[in-house]
Amino acid sequence: QVQLQESGRRLVKPSETLSLNCSVSADSISSYYWNWIRQPAGKGLEWIGRIHTSGSTDYNPSLKSRVTMSVDTSKTQFSLRLSSVTAADTAVYYCASESYYDNTGFDDWGQGTLVTVSS
Amino acid sequence: DIQMTQSPSSLSASVGDRVVVTCRASQSISIYLNWYQQKPGKAPKLLIYSASNLQSGIPSRFSGSGSGTDFTLTISSLQPEDFATFYCQQSYSIPPAFGQGTKVEV
Repeated sequence: QVQLQESGRRLVKPSETLSLNCSVSADSISSYYWNWIRQPAGKGLEWIGRIHTSGSTDYNPSLKSRVTMSVDTSKTQFSLRLSSVTAADTAVYYCASESYYDNTGFDDWGQGTLVTVSS
Repeated sequence: DIQMTQSPSSLSASVGDRVVVTCRASQSISIYLNWYQQKPGKAPKLLIYSASNLQSGIPSRFSGSGSGTDFTLTISSLQPEDFATFYCQQSYSIPPAFGQGTKVEV
């Protein structure tokens, strides 16, 4: 069973950088991809990207120029940075796990954190 | 990028009804299709993976089928706790994409 908990600044000014962390509890952190997914209020789900403990990353091409993900295995924590934010980046941000070995979907999720972009 | 289209966008149903939600991919994704249920204010929950495999702990009234481009999620007998929004998601290629959602309401 994997447990995930998002944390980070909830109010970000336009043009600044959004920064979130996800603390994870898992038997083997290297057995998963660690994903970020977001959802604007009343809208659908958008995949932002994923990281593995090896450091390999995949990003959504629509956000790639603004996204950086990193992982700290000693703290069992992974991070998202999204630069040059606008109001369109206001959303609930979720972290989610995905098996590294099997293509079986996003099987565990954090509770989500609402990030608002406003001056 | 692969686009996912769900239908209908919303439906009205009653307890005990059989409910079917469909999902179509813009190109073949083999069986790499997952279904999620989301209730208001909560994170999505994985119901079905790889088109037809029931996630551990999910009631057997949920089932999935399909391959290639066309998929269905079926709830055999709708229960009060099933009223929610359902999303399909392709995991065939990066970026993984979700359908726009189907809201099941009374």
